[in-house]
Amino acid sequence: DAMVIQNPRYQVTQFGKPVTLSCSQTLNHNVMYWYQQKSSQAPKLLFHYYDKDFNNEADTPDNFQSRRPNTSFCFLDIRSPGLGDAAMYLCATWGGEKLFFGSGTQLSVL
Amino acid sequence: GQQVMQIPQYQHVQEGEDFTTYCNSSTTLSNIQWYKQRPGGHPVFLIQLVKSGEVKKQKRLTFQFGEAKKNSSLHITATQTTDVGTYFCGGSNYKLTFGKGTLLTVNP
Repeated sequence: DAMVIQNPRYQVTQFGKPVTLSCSQTLNHNVMYWYQQKSSQAPKLLFHYYDKDFNNEADTPDNFQSRRPNTSFCFLDIRSPGLGDAAMYLCATWGGEKLFFGSGTQLSVL
Repeated sequence: GQQVMQIPQYQHVQEGEDFTTYCNSSTTLSNIQWYKQRPGGHPVFLIQLVKSGEVKKQKRLTFQFGEAKKNSSLHITATQTTDVGTYFCGGSNYKLTFGKGTLLTVNP
């Protein structure tokens, strides 16, 4: 029944080693988002897609990239993870009235 | 850009006490949404308010949207341990800007 699915739940990477986080949705929603949430902080929007149109937040570092090959899938690529990128990464879709969040991927950087 | 402030940042209550969190925006919002995030979980949608002065209730939760559509509040009557979590407000429409949230802890 999961509608926004994120894999894996936990991801460990090494400093500077590229990592990709995955998100899929069964809701057929046009808008998909990636949020970064650090401990005890609010989710911070990194970027979103409106269909295939990519929208980057002004303060999102260049180190973060995203791909959306089709409606169902969206990927977050971190090209050279730093220690400061350790966080929960939340994928979400917009259902016309509300956000549907995935369970998130907790990223650790060693 | 739009800024959304939430107070208090933390609130600890005894079970059975009431709880209120407040949300203030620097700009007029077309709507406001509230989400709850349990510890270790992801945000879950609670409600959306659209109209000026709107009040909505969900069991023990009461949500208000200010007349000027720049502030909102969430009030929980007689808190229970299941209410523990962080409550976020966010506006507007599909590109939500979240407040910092209020972490509620409840002592049984």
